[in-house]
Amino acid sequence: DQQVKQNSPSLSVQEGRISILNCDYTNSMFDYFLWYKKYPAEGPTFLISISSIKDKNEDGRFTVFLNKSAKHLSLHIVPSQPGDSAVYFCAASDRKSNFGNEKLTFGTGTRLTIIP
Amino acid sequence: DAGITQSPRHKVTETGTPVTLRCHQTENHRYMYWYRQDPGHGLRLIHYSYGVKDTDKGEVSDGYSVSRSKTEDFLLTLESATSSQTSVYFCAISRGLIETQYFGPGTRLLVL
Repeated sequence: DQQVKQNSPSLSVQEGRISILNCDYTNSMFDYFLWYKKYPAEGPTFLISISSIKDKNEDGRFTVFLNKSAKHLSLHIVPSQPGDSAVYFCAASDRKSNFGNEKLTFGTGTRLTIIP
Repeated sequence: DAGITQSPRHKVTETGTPVTLRCHQTENHRYMYWYRQDPGHGLRLIHYSYGVKDTDKGEVSDGYSVSRSKTEDFLLTLESATSSQTSVYFCAISRGLIETQYFGPGTRLLVL
């Protein structure tokens, strides 16, 4: 049972335009969400996070939006650059849990390709 | 970058042989994790450790064991490797269970 879903395996965006990566979750107890970026032959690197008490968090070109009622989060990259080409994983946890859900649950990833 | 190294970085082995992967950290983080990454599955937790000699299972622990005799080292052992364990293995560390995790560079394992 996939609790965190990234339904788009791949996405192509023109350089300079906005990239929007989507993530849906099913566990309403999740209260902390993260995005990781992964280049080939490297480990994932932390990009940005958001707590469920907020609906938006911004860090430079990266903004994460959280819609708790829809159980949906998205990552916006503006403007997109060639170096943003990578696989992006969303992850979620229930930080209040005492039953193991504190650990991160990852989505399957979306491969973003920025077209020059 | 967090000080995490994994060894070996690449390994080819035969079905039925034992394999041990090593994760080493220089950050003195309490928590260490082993994940595997497979197409269509993302990152799945195999085992994790919350201190020296303290470990627990993740969602895909069958066929794997772990050990942590020192804060800085976390070993993942495949007692008898199978082709289904062909994967890329990532180690991660964090200060606490609900803190951000930082990942190592990965080990690509091929079981023939």
